Amino acid sequence: GESVGLHLPTLSVQEGDNSIINCAYSNSASDYFIWYKQESGKGPQFIIDIRSNMDKRQGQRVTVLLNKTVKHLSLQIAATQPGDSAVYFCAEIAPWAGKSTFGDGTTLTVKP
Amino acid sequence: NAGVTQTPKFQVLKTGQSMTLQCAQDMNHNSMYWYRQDPGMGLRLIYYSASEGTTDKGEVPNGYNVSRLNKREFSLRLESAAPSQTSVYFCASMGRGRMDTQYFGPGTRLTVL
Repeated sequence: GESVGLHLPTLSVQEGDNSIINCAYSNSASDYFIWYKQESGKGPQFIIDIRSNMDKRQGQRVTVLLNKTVKHLSLQIAATQPGDSAVYFCAEIAPWAGKSTFGDGTTLTVKP
Repeated sequence: NAGVTQTPKFQVLKTGQSMTLQCAQDMNHNSMYWYRQDPGMGLRLIYYSASEGTTDKGEVPNGYNVSRLNKREFSLRLESAAPSQTSVYFCASMGRGRMDTQYFGPGTRLTVL
């Protein structure tokens, strides 16, 4: 079956450092992935996405890397800030089929 | 645009009671979803509706029913609530564009005693 998972459930970093959150997926046919951020008491919020025909995509302070050979993607957050503290999920999305699969999430804690 | 709205925000039920969670979106999206999120875990798909008039089971459909009332609204019903259904329930919607993403509602926190 399909599964999307994150390597580590928790990550703690110092304010100003760069953060890297990892995710592995099992469906080699997957071609669209999204990273979400979920703050306490709120629903998931879109951060950045990437398609399988790309290796890297950059946003504001965030970069997503996709390695299709090992079915792995990562989210890099530059100059991590206290406001980045949240749970981060990777998800495999198939809009045309109306399907989505979420990993369990990594809790990022930013220490001042 | 309100995005995705859910009602109620909080609900406490006794075992065996029934209730319906409401969800609406104003983005003209085709697909809508119901997830549950248990403490410390990711989202698990209960049911989804890829388009108006269709519904399909997700990963954890047992104990739930859904209705895609129209393109805007997708409701989730618990016919006989059980303590195992204590969770936070999120509704989401998504368009059909190549790079469309899901938009989530604020969630309904349900406790079954």
